[in-house]
Amino acid sequence: DIQMTQSPSSLSASAGDRVTIICRASQSISSYLNWYQQKPGKAPKLLIYTASNLQSGVPSRFSGSGSGTDFTLIISSLQPEDFATYYCQQSYSTPRTFGQGTKVEIK
Amino acid sequence: QVQLQESGPGLVKPSETLSLTCTVSGGSMSGYYWSWIRQSPGKGLEWIGYIYYSGSTNYNPSLTSRVTMSVDTSKKQFSLRLSSVTAADTAVYYCASGPVVGASNWLDSWGQGTLVTVSS
Repeated sequence: DIQMTQSPSSLSASAGDRVTIICRASQSISSYLNWYQQKPGKAPKLLIYTASNLQSGVPSRFSGSGSGTDFTLIISSLQPEDFATYYCQQSYSTPRTFGQGTKVEIK
Repeated sequence: QVQLQESGPGLVKPSETLSLTCTVSGGSMSGYYWSWIRQSPGKGLEWIGYIYYSGSTNYNPSLTSRVTMSVDTSKKQFSLRLSSVTAADTAVYYCASGPVVGASNWLDSWGQGTLVTVSS
């Protein structure tokens, strides 16, 4: 199985901050990397697909980059509604695997 | 994107079979992977597997001996059966779907999730 490791596991930030979340795969996954946002009690929501493509309806302050084994999700200016847990997921091979999540909390 | 809704018992006894159905609305089932993902309380996301609209399946090896998925395109439903459940199978179960675009795939539609508790 491909292991996905996110860092940090949690972070505290203020509204307006730039936030960077890293996702590292245990082997190359080309660009087959997706990012999801999950709020408490809710289903995950797709933010970014295939490493850098912004899902329709997702604000442009979210962006993704990377290929191979190293990927980044950036929130350029954190908004109050962005406090949530973020997961990366590889779709290069099965079983599909998710990172352990990064919880973004209010400072 | 389609709308998805899980249904099924919220309580299952140990050693019995968990059965869930996901009903699809607002779109076609063709060309999509229809997936099940679960999340144990306070934990991360675990991919259970997917079924293609044609009926071909791909399961997580950690669960493959206990998992069966099926699809009924005429009813616009797909289903999950997980046998011989234990307390470790207690989780919120999500159905989800997404397009297959070349070799790429993502999950752009999710059900609201249903909590299944395994307890006697």
